[in-house]
Amino acid sequence: AQKVTQAQTEISVVEKEDVTLDCVYETRDTTYYLFWYKQPPSGELVFLIRRNSFDEQNEISGRYSWNFQKSTSSFNFTITASQVVDSAVYFCALSEGSGGSYIPTFGRGTSLIVHP
Amino acid sequence: NAGVTQTPKFQVLKTGQSMTLQCAQDMNHNSMYWYRQDPGMGLRLIYYSASEGTTDKGEVPNGYNVSRLNKREFSLRLESAAPSQTSVYFCASSEAKYGRGPNTEAFFGQGTRLTVV
Repeated sequence: AQKVTQAQTEISVVEKEDVTLDCVYETRDTTYYLFWYKQPPSGELVFLIRRNSFDEQNEISGRYSWNFQKSTSSFNFTITASQVVDSAVYFCALSEGSGGSYIPTFGRGTSLIVHP
Repeated sequence: NAGVTQTPKFQVLKTGQSMTLQCAQDMNHNSMYWYRQDPGMGLRLIYYSASEGTTDKGEVPNGYNVSRLNKREFSLRLESAAPSQTSVYFCASSEAKYGRGPNTEAFFGQGTRLTVV
């Protein structure tokens, strides 16, 4: 079973639309970390945000916002007023502390296409 | 700071050839990782090294070997390349500490696009 599920394989929107990328995770650990990464067409992996399991505060950074809900094991990512430059593959990742080592486990990614 | 540096960026191998992918980080991180990325599969862990001198298998270790040469360097070796190993390979590092952390995000190299023909 996947520990990180990104059910949306591909999302297509028109510029200026809002879009939410879903991420559902599974863990038995009480201490864990969640991350979002962006992979633009150039191929590099760009870190966007980290959240630890003890901090359920939502976060906003410009047009980006993240909603962390432990009750539903979700860590969703919303882009407001999307732009063509947001077109990329977005990965959600989980890092658990079981066994002492925090190894990032990634979802399969959501490809976001923003049309002008 | 260079962060995580991977070499080479591109490589074409013939089936049965061997090669080593090099990775070095300058952030003094304890943990290093090798992932492969295939279409629709996300990033899958091949091997990792939680600290200098230790290595462990990840989800897809078959056909690969690794060496944690020192704290900075973590190499991935394909002994006898197969077409199924055609992929994009990423090296990453993080300051992952045992127990309750703190734990940082993983920093990634630029990737190696490997084609085995």
